[in-house]
Amino acid sequence: GAVVSQHPSRVICKSGTSVKIECRSLDFQATTMFWYRQFPKQSLMLMATSNEGSKATYEQGVEKDKFLINHASLTLSTLTVTSAHPEDSSFYICSARDSGGLYEQYFGPGTRLTVT
Amino acid sequence: GQNIDQPTEMTATEGAIVQINCTYQTSGFNGLFWYQQHAGEAPTFLSYNVLDGLEEKGRFSSFLSRSKGYSYLLLKELQMKDSASYLCAVRDGDYKLSFGAGTTVTVRA
Repeated sequence: GAVVSQHPSRVICKSGTSVKIECRSLDFQATTMFWYRQFPKQSLMLMATSNEGSKATYEQGVEKDKFLINHASLTLSTLTVTSAHPEDSSFYICSARDSGGLYEQYFGPGTRLTVT
Repeated sequence: GQNIDQPTEMTATEGAIVQINCTYQTSGFNGLFWYQQHAGEAPTFLSYNVLDGLEEKGRFSSFLSRSKGYSYLLLKELQMKDSASYLCAVRDGDYKLSFGAGTTVTVRA
């Protein structure tokens, strides 16, 4: 089956620093990847849609200058949380849509970000 | 906008059956998904419905009625490992998923 990896799985950073999270589709090409955020005991909230070779589309209320998304290849999208603050602490999950597939999005294992 | 409702919690006994309902009101519909999520992990795909009717996959079945904006996930022969959060998600025409808040199912011995 299709596999999506995320790196790192956990990261702790100090307030004011930036953190980059990678999302890779390992055995398929993904022209579209999605970035979600999930706070404890809440559901996944879509942050942005990442399209290979073009600018990401951000959901309402998500600051594009704070959450930088780059989708430079068909297998890699990155999310950079700039100038992180404690309120950015969350579980970040990416998913990838198989360009040749029917309907599924395949989710990565998630990245737990803690900002101190 | 998207409005997806599902119960917050359900408890059932090992070996029993549980039905998780999901109602939705969305702008655009291109399929409904059910995912299972264990704490601290990413969601895993359970089922997909785009046409009305019942889809059966082993112990799990999912039903969709597009005219009623309604779906349910049926879990049969419950096992302890089925204790998890179950997420209902609706996909729009741009392949974006909107998730419900999730239903936490607790299976007791």
